[in-house]
Amino acid sequence: GAGVSQSPSNKVTEKGKDVELRCDPISGHTALYWYRQSLGQGLEFLIYFQGNSAPDKSGLPSDRFSAERTGGSVSTLTIQRTQQEDSAVYLCASSRLMGNEKLFFGSGTQLSVL
Amino acid sequence: KQEVTQIPAALSVPEGENLVLNCSFTDSAIYNLQWFRQDPGKGLTSLLLIQSSQREQTSGRLNASLDKSSGRSTLYIAASQPGDSATYLCAVRPTSGTYKYIFGTGTRLKVLA
Repeated sequence: GAGVSQSPSNKVTEKGKDVELRCDPISGHTALYWYRQSLGQGLEFLIYFQGNSAPDKSGLPSDRFSAERTGGSVSTLTIQRTQQEDSAVYLCASSRLMGNEKLFFGSGTQLSVL
Repeated sequence: KQEVTQIPAALSVPEGENLVLNCSFTDSAIYNLQWFRQDPGKGLTSLLLIQSSQREQTSGRLNASLDKSSGRSTLYIAASQPGDSATYLCAVRPTSGTYKYIFGTGTRLKVLA
């Protein structure tokens, strides 16, 4: 695709529900990253993928958070039993190779947990 | 633990002024540094990437410098325009076996017409 695509752009859910956030990286990009941005805060690293494997999951806040990537392309971030503190913008980025490559970000998913 | 700081948090300047944004990092063991721009409600756009072996990178009116030993980078914007108004973030990629980028909290720039 022309850019990194994320869906949905907005998600409102009730506390305790599960949500799935989707990221379509730029075609051919090997690396895929998930970040979270809370209001007025910097970007918090969650996880990155190299191909379909996730060498660094250290940023996932709890075991309620999981992510997968299939076919070296689309990635899904799942949050189970959502809490109000999960409310944030979830950003996905991709790059052509791991290493000295610019990151290309999607527009993000605004998650609101009521 | 690598920490990235950006000062000031916010900046307002009149149109046409040259300005400098600052980025500091605590661990000089970095692979590269990127500067990004974020417009309200949007994702980030990479502006410049400087590898650890480089001292600076230029793109149009933007110039980014890197002094790895002192843990500092600056983004110089020449002849600022209202369209430059955005939040500017820097991010470093450590050499410590992970490919994640660590971001600063950004400088919110407003260029007044």
